[in-house]
Amino acid sequence: EAQVTQNPRYLITVTGKKLTVTCSQNMNHEYMSWYRQDPGLGLRQIYYSMNVEVTDKGDVPEGYKVSRKEKRNFPLILESPSPNQTSLYFCASSLFTNNEQFFGPGTRLTVL
Amino acid sequence: AQSVTQLGSHVSVSEGALVLLRCNYSSSVPPYLFWYVQYPNQGLQLLLKYTSAATLVKGINGFEAEFKKSETSFHLTKPSAHMSDAAEYFCAVSETDSWGKLQFGAGTQVVVTP
Repeated sequence: EAQVTQNPRYLITVTGKKLTVTCSQNMNHEYMSWYRQDPGLGLRQIYYSMNVEVTDKGDVPEGYKVSRKEKRNFPLILESPSPNQTSLYFCASSLFTNNEQFFGPGTRLTVL
Repeated sequence: AQSVTQLGSHVSVSEGALVLLRCNYSSSVPPYLFWYVQYPNQGLQLLLKYTSAATLVKGINGFEAEFKKSETSFHLTKPSAHMSDAAEYFCAVSETDSWGKLQFGAGTQVVVTP
């Protein structure tokens, strides 16, 4: 089944404790992206990647890192999480830019 | 910078009534336009997209949207609401030279009453 998977789905952590949210797609998509969803703000792009080893900042990149060492994986790294990073995070991928983006199920992160 | 405005954060509609969700965008050139739906505790699912072909776009689950360049709008409609349409709906825009970056509206929560 074609899909985007994220792990973990739920995470509660404390300020400053490094964490990684994994994202994997099995559709051989070049383009991958991370978004955060906050009430009243919709989804905002954090980082995106157009292919292996090619990444760039989105609208809200502060406090986040990404890497794209393999085509299928695009992990999101929070080196020192803070409470304002409490949010619902979505990973997405697409075959071509400006084409349909397929979304993962989301990761709900709480930083205490 | 591109922006997307969805009028109304919450919409309540009776079962069988028309669903109308409004979306306006700011762009100097016709962009790519999308409507996504998010059911509770799920990711986003594409309803339909406009990519400079026909201005009236039909999507899944009986939804359609019309691109009106003069009004910079891309409103979503469904003639008859079902209980299963209760969800949050997002309009999104992507400019042709933005490498697939989607700019989302704030979302509209749809409640369907019996």
